[in-house]
Amino acid sequence: GEEVAQTPKHLVRGEGQKAKLYCAPIKGHSYVFWYQQVLKNEFKFLISFQNENVFDETGMPKERFSAKCLPNSPCSLEIQATKLEDSAVYFCASSQYRSRYNEQFFGPGTRLTVL
Amino acid sequence: AQTVTQSQPEMSVQEAETVTLSCTYDTSESDYYLFWYKQPPSRQMILVIRQEAYKQQNATENRFSVNFQKAAKSFSLKISDSQLGDAAMYFCAYRSAYIDTGNQFYFGTGTSLTVIP
Repeated sequence: GEEVAQTPKHLVRGEGQKAKLYCAPIKGHSYVFWYQQVLKNEFKFLISFQNENVFDETGMPKERFSAKCLPNSPCSLEIQATKLEDSAVYFCASSQYRSRYNEQFFGPGTRLTVL
Repeated sequence: AQTVTQSQPEMSVQEAETVTLSCTYDTSESDYYLFWYKQPPSRQMILVIRQEAYKQQNATENRFSVNFQKAAKSFSLKISDSQLGDAAMYFCAYRSAYIDTGNQFYFGTGTSLTVIP
């Protein structure tokens, strides 16, 4: 598609439950990025993929968070045993390999609320 | 790691007037890209303007322009003829031009812009 698609738009989970977020990058884009925007507006980089391979996971919490980008499937970000502090908007972005400006195109985000 | 600083948490401007949002960054790299994104209450990230570090000329997009000072590591956004629809959070972002450095965006903490009718 021509836009980055993220589902669901909103997700509510009780503390300790699992949350799974999905992202379909723009067709032809090789790189996918996940960011977490907490309520104070700060963006935190989580992980990036080059096709189905993890490219940079320096921002991923070592526990509870995992992500995948499999061929012919949306990318996913999964949080096991959610905590209150996981409440945030999670953005997915995609970019072409070596595109001009290295621009990233952002999806609309998934708002995760942990109660 | 690169850092991006937006020192103005909030700014306001009268409709039709001009406002400048500040952004500074710290990097040891020589080739990179700088961006300004607008985020309205819907949280959608909208690209406003972008600048390539190796270009001397300041980028311009209609009412939006930047003042890029590479030596000072400064990248301010000027909004001319402000409109009510310009009210939003504005984020400054840095991205390396070197693919093998990870290529993530580094964001500032944002500036909330209010436009007064």
